[in-house]
Amino acid sequence: QSALTQPASVSGSPGQSITISCIGTRSDVGGYNHVSWYQQHPGKVPKVMIYEVSNRPSGVSNRFSGSKSGNTASLTISGLQAEDEADYYCISYTDSGTFWVVGGGTKLTVL
Amino acid sequence: EVHLVESGGGLVQPGGSLRLSCAASGFSLSSYNMNWVRQAPGKGLECVSYISIASDNIFYADSVRGRFTVTRDNTRGSLYLHMNGLRADDTAVYYCVRDDMWAFDLWGQGTLVTVSS
Repeated sequence: QSALTQPASVSGSPGQSITISCIGTRSDVGGYNHVSWYQQHPGKVPKVMIYEVSNRPSGVSNRFSGSKSGNTASLTISGLQAEDEADYYCISYTDSGTFWVVGGGTKLTVL
Repeated sequence: EVHLVESGGGLVQPGGSLRLSCAASGFSLSSYNMNWVRQAPGKGLECVSYISIASDNIFYADSVRGRFTVTRDNTRGSLYLHMNGLRADDTAVYYCVRDDMWAFDLWGQGTLVTVSS
């Protein structure tokens, strides 16, 4: 069982917006801003899309945005495109002894 | 160009040992905290270990603590994962991952570890 809770799947049509949630506790998501999001296409290496809750690395589309409220972090993808179809993971720092905790992953399907 | 290249994976019997290596190129390993992240076939990511630049802070996932040991040699630009007491549920692709500004910004291609008799 993962320490961070993500929905197993989300879907949306091209052009729409979707949001993936990542629910933690005060020991991780709620207590620190060290939350990042990763995109993984089948057979590929994960790629960082968002770091420190809402920062976007150079080269990542501005259709990707991150936010946090309380113990829940969120990844929003606007203007969905077919290429966004992938698995998405959230990772947070935790003060509970393992340093990092990971969400179970969310499969995004673009209809 | 910056790269991380893992090696050392393979087939091992339950209870056996392996040492994974990760070679950094194009950047100085001594400037970054590093991690091992694994992914079992068809499953999600799991952060296995974290090691700070000077090796003075080391953390492990509960599932591997006491069996795995992470080390690094900054002079050689290398990261290692010593794995003992391997179990079937340790079967996974193991990634060497660079940590920059609290983001896993550079990943190796991974090395597959299969634990089976």
